[in-house]
Amino acid sequence: SAVISQKPSRDICQRGTSLTIQCQVDSQVTMMFWYRQQPGQSLTLIATANQGSEATYESGFVIDKFPISRPNLTFSTLTVSNMSPEDSSIYLCSALAAQETQYFGPGTRLLVL
Amino acid sequence: AQSVTQLDSHVSVSEGTPVLLRCNYSSSYSPSLFWYVQHPNKGLQLLLKYTSAATLVKGINGFEAEFKKSETSFHLTKPSAHMSDAAEYFCVVSADSNYQLIWGAGTKLIIKP
Repeated sequence: SAVISQKPSRDICQRGTSLTIQCQVDSQVTMMFWYRQQPGQSLTLIATANQGSEATYESGFVIDKFPISRPNLTFSTLTVSNMSPEDSSIYLCSALAAQETQYFGPGTRLLVL
Repeated sequence: AQSVTQLDSHVSVSEGTPVLLRCNYSSSYSPSLFWYVQHPNKGLQLLLKYTSAATLVKGINGFEAEFKKSETSFHLTKPSAHMSDAAEYFCVVSADSNYQLIWGAGTKLIIKP
């Protein structure tokens, strides 16, 4: 398995500002993923982040709004840019560990006012 | 294309009685299937995983799931519910070569004392 931490755990932000979420894995992993979970809903994949290449974004998500960095095999960041209240959500990162299983961080709860 | 349908948005059982959370999947090949649990204000935890070995998969906390190819089902069961089982449960299928996860809508399990 893999143990994943995220920072911050929660934040309240003003519209128009940006927030960077950090995700740290306790072991080296090839693939990391970023998800969004709206209140009471399931998870939606934002992008796949592989070390050494550009992130791959899903339909409806763009790099200008959600830039992602993956500087090494244990770390990734997701930035939520120019925030609006519609960006209020839980943001989760995951890592693909042994036996092709994804393990998840505790999530970042974001409220945009 | 893969898809997942969780047949119940809410399931309510009394403590000490059996739990059944239903999941049907659609896949053009032999899939990997997962159940994840999310407790209130907590991260996602892997309950169990099926990857074409034994069709009956045992997970943590007394849960198990049976893969039935003929019925395209992967229902989650537990013989006796405990109050601590109250949570949201997600049935998930893994896509083919890119390890992306296709998520069900979730089933909220309510345990009555």
